[in-house]
Amino acid sequence: DADVTQTPRNRITKTGKRIMLECSQTKGHDRMYWYRQDPGLGLRLIYYSFDVKDINKGEISDGYSVSRQAQAKFSLSLESAIPNQTALYFCATSDPYTEANYGYTFGSGTRLTVV
Amino acid sequence: GQNIDQPTEMTATEGAIVQINCTYQTSGFNGLFWYQQHAGEAPTFLSYNVLDGLEEKGRFSSFLSRSKGYSYLLLKELQMKDSASYLCAVRGIGIKAAGNKLTFGGGTRVLVKP
Repeated sequence: DADVTQTPRNRITKTGKRIMLECSQTKGHDRMYWYRQDPGLGLRLIYYSFDVKDINKGEISDGYSVSRQAQAKFSLSLESAIPNQTALYFCATSDPYTEANYGYTFGSGTRLTVV
Repeated sequence: GQNIDQPTEMTATEGAIVQINCTYQTSGFNGLFWYQQHAGEAPTFLSYNVLDGLEEKGRFSSFLSRSKGYSYLLLKELQMKDSASYLCAVRGIGIKAAGNKLTFGGGTRVLVKP
């Protein structure tokens, strides 16, 4: 099994619908992140969590919310999806003591299309 | 905040060397990372620099100059499988640990031709 698992892998949804993207990890890392990737814009941080009780907004949090249900699980929700939220979404984890050697561990991504 | 610039695209020939530059302006600096990302896949970690100088890992090397806000990734003996995007990312520093997160540049797509 992958260290960081994202579900679903692909999703098409309609404008206005609520959708949840899920992320689970077996790395035992406290830190988890949600990024979105658009062509030419690299990865942009949506939300991040440094432990179960800690949630922080990233640079593009508007229209999104998150839930850290446990150390291993970090979910991203789009309350009312809109077409410009069509993107590739990545979940990542890290351990501050090993980031220098291993960086972040990314999931395989969720390709979301809002029509 | 952070501002990170890298070229959009580069083309090189199999067996050659390519250098991907990254410049950054940041309010706080706590390390620079390079990642490789094949199309539609997750980024994978390549290297980390926090002190000035060159770090070598096999065919890949990464250089950092903190005073210039500059880094480069050097790919030697290019192979077809090196065709991918290469992402430069800067780790910030904050009063609280929450400042220590990565900000990514837009990525450089490298195309290796036979």
